[in-house]
Amino acid sequence: EPEVTQTPSHQVTQMGQEVILRCVPISNHLYFYWYRQILGQKVEFLVSFYNNEISEKSEIFDDQFSVERPDGSNFTLKIRSTKLEDSAMYFCASCWGQPQSSYNSPLHFGNGTRLTVT
Amino acid sequence: DAKTTQPPSMDCAEGRAANLPCNHSTISGNEYVYWYRQIHSQGPQYIIHGLKNNETNEMASLIITEDRKSSTLILPHATLRDTAVYYCIVREGRDDKIIFGKGTRLHILP
Repeated sequence: EPEVTQTPSHQVTQMGQEVILRCVPISNHLYFYWYRQILGQKVEFLVSFYNNEISEKSEIFDDQFSVERPDGSNFTLKIRSTKLEDSAMYFCASCWGQPQSSYNSPLHFGNGTRLTVT
Repeated sequence: DAKTTQPPSMDCAEGRAANLPCNHSTISGNEYVYWYRQIHSQGPQYIIHGLKNNETNEMASLIITEDRKSSTLILPHATLRDTAVYYCIVREGRDDKIIFGKGTRLHILP
C-alpha cells in the first residue's frame, strides 16, 4: 500500500539554525499538509498546499516557516531560525482530493520527524 | 476547534468489541465524520469515514445515528495492538484540512 514517507526520522539542531524537513507524499495525491505535535499535546494543523501554493495556514505558521514542492515528488517544510519551542514531531500528510469529485478523500500521514532544538 | 466530544479514556478486554462513542451535535449536512488513531507517537492513521450511512472496512465499523449528532466506532475484536488514541473528527466536504481534538485513549486489557 502506498504511504507518505518522511526524512529524517529525528533531527537535532541548535537554536537559530535553519532546518528542512522532507516528505514524499503519495504519488497521485494533490493536497499536501504539515502538522506538528508538541510532546503530550494535540496534533496541530500548520499549513495546507495545493496547486503549488499555500491554500490555508494556521496562526502557528508564521514568517519563519515556509513550504515548497521543489519537484514532482518532494514536499518540504523549512524553519528559518529555530527556537526551543519548535521542538516537536512534525507530520506530513497528503490527500487525493480531486476538487471536481464528490468523494471526500482522507488524509494519509507519514510517521513524522522528531525535531529537537537545543 | 474540534467540533466533537469524546470520553478521555476507555478500557476494553482483548478479543472483545471496542465501542468508541463520539458526539457531534452541531454537525452540518455536508460534514463528514472521520476516525483516526495514533499509536504511541506514530503518525495519525486513517480508520474510516462516513456521511450518513453506516460504513465498514477491514479495520472497523462506523455507526452514525439517524440525526447524525453522534456516532460510534466499533473495533470488532480488539487486540493489544489497538491500544492508541482515537480521534473522531468532523470535516466539511469542501474543506481540505482536518482538526484534531484530544481524542479517546483506548487501553486494551489482556
